[in-house]
Amino acid sequence: DVKVTQSSRYLVKRTGEKVFLECVQDMDHENMFWYRQDPGLGLRLIYFSYDVKMKEKGDIPEGYSVSREKKERFSLILESASTNQTSMYLCASSRGGYTEAFFGQGTRLTVV
Amino acid sequence: KNQVEQSPQSLIILEGKNCTLQCNYTVSPFSNLRWYKQDTGRGPVSLTIMTFSENTKSNGRYTATLDADTKQSSLHITASQLSDSASYICVVSRNTGGFKTIFGAGTRLFVKA
Repeated sequence: DVKVTQSSRYLVKRTGEKVFLECVQDMDHENMFWYRQDPGLGLRLIYFSYDVKMKEKGDIPEGYSVSREKKERFSLILESASTNQTSMYLCASSRGGYTEAFFGQGTRLTVV
Repeated sequence: KNQVEQSPQSLIILEGKNCTLQCNYTVSPFSNLRWYKQDTGRGPVSLTIMTFSENTKSNGRYTATLDADTKQSSLHITASQLSDSASYICVVSRNTGGFKTIFGAGTRLFVKA
């Protein structure tokens, strides 16, 4: 079974802190994604990566950056956390093209 | 504008009953449509995926239909179980050569004993 693992299920951070969300997949997938999910808005793409060291902005990249130094790991970085970044963050991975995306269990981040 | 709209927003049914969830989209050019199930506190899990030429796809008690002409899809759940309580998300991908995937806001289904 494909496994996408996010480092934390729940996280509470203070405004202005630098926050790292880690995601690891074990299926040698080329593509990895970071989404945030807010009630009534559905999932929105923050960043994605289709290869090591490659990254592309999604629909809402402002306030975020990403890092993909190894194929299996994709990190989301909040440079200076703000309260409007309180959300559920979901990582996903897939093979090339429009194949099925497999999601991690999510990280619920609260910024106080 | 590329959008995916789902209805109803939430639904409560009795265990054993059938239900149908709707998804209307305006995404173009269309590549494929997927239904995901998301249990509370978990990531979404794929149920079905349909391309332009497919108009029905089943996965156990879940049957998805697609009408590419009217840009509508439905997810039918037969003989519901308590474990079907979850959010069901419709996802449409555009055929632009890049990653353009639009998510619906989901339908929250509650199955009562």
